Formats: sequence, C-alpha cells, structure tokens
Amino acid sequence: NAGVMQNPRHLVRRRGQEARLRCSPMKGHSHVYWYRQLPEEGLKFMVYLQKENIIDESGMPKERFSAEFPKEGPSILRIQQVVRGDSAAYFCASSPDTDYGYTFGSGTRLTVV
Amino acid sequence: KNQVEQSPQSLIILEGKNCTLQCNYTVSPFSNLRWYKQDTGRGPVSLTIMTFSENTKSNGRYTATLDADTKQSSLHITASQLSDSASYICVVRDQTGANNLFFGTGTRLTVIP
Repeated sequence: NAGVMQNPRHLVRRRGQEARLRCSPMKGHSHVYWYRQLPEEGLKFMVYLQKENIIDESGMPKERFSAEFPKEGPSILRIQQVVRGDSAAYFCASSPDTDYGYTFGSGTRLTVV
Repeated sequence: KNQVEQSPQSLIILEGKNCTLQCNYTVSPFSNLRWYKQDTGRGPVSLTIMTFSENTKSNGRYTATLDADTKQSSLHITASQLSDSASYICVVRDQTGANNLFFGTGTRLTVIP
C-alpha cells in the first residue's frame, strides 16, 4: 500500500493559469480531505469528499476553486486563474470511514509567479 | 469557539534531552485528540490518538497525555534525536461530524547536536 499519493510534488504556475492537484487515497479509503497550509501556519480545512460527492466544502473559496472525487481515478483540486495568494502547500488526507484516523499525503507545493 | 492552542511556538533542545509540548483545546463535544509529526516538506504523520477515556499513550520515545477535564494534552519526547526536528501538531476532533478536526498551529522543535 503506497499510502496517499499526491502529485505533482511541486507546481509552478503564472498568475492567471490553472492549477490541478491530484490525490490518490490509500487503497480502501473512500473519504478524501483537502487542506491548505500557508508558510508558518497550521493546516486549514478546504473540502471533504466521498466518491462522486462533495460532503463539505465550507473551507473552500467560492470562486476559482473546485474539487472532485470521481468514481474512478484520483481526487482533483482545481484552482482557476491562480493568484499569488494561492501559493501554499496543499495536503490531501484519506480515511476508510468517518471514525478512523486520517493518513496524509506529502503535499503539493504550489508557487504562483 | 472551538480552538486548539499549542505552546511553545518553537523550541530548541540539545540532542539527548527530553522535552514536553503542550496543547490546550476548547473543542466540544470532544471525540479524540491526535498528535502529528510533520517533517519539513512532508505531510503530517500520526504519532498517537487518544479518546476521552485514555489519559496516556506511548509510541516509542513519544508519550502523550490527556486531561479531558482541563482540556489539556502534552507530548513528551524522551532522549531526543536529531530526526525529531519537526513540527508537532495537535489535532482535536469533535463528535459532530466526520470533518470536524481542529488543528493547532504546531510547535516547531529543533534538536541540535
């Protein structure tokens, strides 16, 4: 079991471009969570998904950000028209059910130039 | 308001020494509390998890304590090693939903030779 896989590890985008961050949960995990971490700050919840459903997106900006977890394939966090303030580390975590612990991926570091 | 506060914000200790990190929380109703270790550039890795009825749990040189009455937890590291240098994050979960995790901003520990 390879754990939670995130790619790319590093992503550089120019302002106005789109960023796509991918997360493959651990085998058997159907719950996926996305978090954002700014430098020197704690993890901030963005969105919680189960297969084909967004359960809670209360932490995700209403504009430019979207997430999906299709029936097949990884979960995708999509940021359109990126701005400098989007530069951060984005972590994905997965769990097999709601009461179990989370396993985190190694993150994607997005830099907007 | 549900909050998790950690102290100290940063700590430098000599290799081989012990240290204790603190976590105070106001999260209610309480479900469980986890300590995570986050190496620079990596995702958080779970060290311990404690529920309401547990007041101590060990994982190698890491020992976590929980006082659910005073809503305090500590993480004690014995015989520190250089590889212990990392951020240690306290995460508290409430009982109201799968997604309700509250993250502290972490204690940045640096172990020097």
